[in-house]
Amino acid sequence: DVKVTQSSRYLVKRTGEKVFLECVQDMDHENMFWYRQDPGLGLRLIYFSYDVKMKEKGDIPEGYSVSREKKERFSLILESASTNQTSMYLCASSGGRQVRSGANVLTFGAGSRLTVL
Amino acid sequence: QKEVEQNSGPLSVPEGAIASLNCTYSDRGSQSFFWYRQYSGKSPELIMFIYSNGDKEDGRFTAQLNKASQYVSLLIRDSQPSDSATYLCAVKSGGSYIPTFGRGTSLIVHP
Repeated sequence: DVKVTQSSRYLVKRTGEKVFLECVQDMDHENMFWYRQDPGLGLRLIYFSYDVKMKEKGDIPEGYSVSREKKERFSLILESASTNQTSMYLCASSGGRQVRSGANVLTFGAGSRLTVL
Repeated sequence: QKEVEQNSGPLSVPEGAIASLNCTYSDRGSQSFFWYRQYSGKSPELIMFIYSNGDKEDGRFTAQLNKASQYVSLLIRDSQPSDSATYLCAVKSGGSYIPTFGRGTSLIVHP
């Protein structure tokens, strides 16, 4: 089974702090994603990466940056945390973009619940 | 703007009944369709995916796809209280990396 591991389940940070959320997958997947999930708003894509050092903005990239130096690791960075970034953050990975392939399926990590005070 | 619409619910069904969850999408180029289940406080997990028009069955779950009408549905037969969760529909265009998710339908199965 693919495993996507997020480094922290729960974090509490202060406004203005720099926050790192780490995600590691163990199945050599090409694609990795960072979402945030808020009640009533569903999953919103922050950034995704389709290869090492490659990244593309999602729907809500403002206030976030990402790093993918190794294929298995995708980090989300909040340069200066704000209270409106309090949320559940979900990392996911998938193996490709081919149609009619199970490689399309996203496998999610357990999530990181961030509270910014 | 690609859109995926789901009724937020909650959909409440008695134990043993059939639960029917629906999803419509706007992008006619969509080629891959997914249903994920998300329990409260947990992350989404795949139930099944479908690519071709018609039905696809997996145990108590059946996905139905109608590309002409741009909808995909999920039927859960013999619903159990353990099926109570939020069900997310996701749609992906051919050649795209990124699926578009609906906001999910909350299902409650009561004994």
